Amino acid sequence: KAGVTQTPRYLIKTRGQQVTLSCSPISGHRSVSWYQQTPGQGLQFLFEYFSETQRNKGNFPGRFSGRQFSNSRSEMNVSTLELGDSALYLCASSLGLADYNEQFFGPGTRLTVL
Amino acid sequence: AQSVTQPDIHITVSEGASLELRCNYSYGATPYLFWYVQSPGQGLQLLLKYFSGDTLVQGIKGFEAEFKRSQSSFNLRKPSVHWSDAAEYFCAVGARGYGGSQGNLIFGKGTKLSVKP
Repeated sequence: KAGVTQTPRYLIKTRGQQVTLSCSPISGHRSVSWYQQTPGQGLQFLFEYFSETQRNKGNFPGRFSGRQFSNSRSEMNVSTLELGDSALYLCASSLGLADYNEQFFGPGTRLTVL
Repeated sequence: AQSVTQPDIHITVSEGASLELRCNYSYGATPYLFWYVQSPGQGLQLLLKYFSGDTLVQGIKGFEAEFKRSQSSFNLRKPSVHWSDAAEYFCAVGARGYGGSQGNLIFGKGTKLSVKP
């Protein structure tokens, strides 16, 4: 079974631009979560989508948004990029059922903001 | 507020030596507990998890962890380290009763493990 895939793997943008990252979950998984990883703040939860609905949200500004499609694929968008948005963005998928299910992480998208 | 503390930023052990990575958490009840490993340029891989029951849990690659409620700890151990274990290790907690939400894992800052030949 194919794992979680994220595209693109690397991205370079300039301040003020916006960016869209994509995540394809494992087949059959309905929950997709996004995390930001930086050297200073570590791994921080952004948001989770389940069946096209945002189910949980971390403490990030409104510039960070996401969505999920009917095939469970998810995108996250960051508008008006700042230097501090440079990070590894990780996507994780799980079955998303009532009890806690293991999250499987993708390799991440490395975003550099210049 | 929930939090996870990994007191050791960097640990170096000799190949074949035993390993213990520390993790302390702050949470009002018993959380879900996880250990993940991240190799350079890779995503996170789950090593093991604790939900309930036996407080000593076995994971992949010969790792185990022990949940100690009285100490709010979930330390990771391995009896004999291999050079391929060099990576960064993250402890994480997940909140129970989140209406089925799978996300919102709270991670520690990680412990980087180096292995000497």
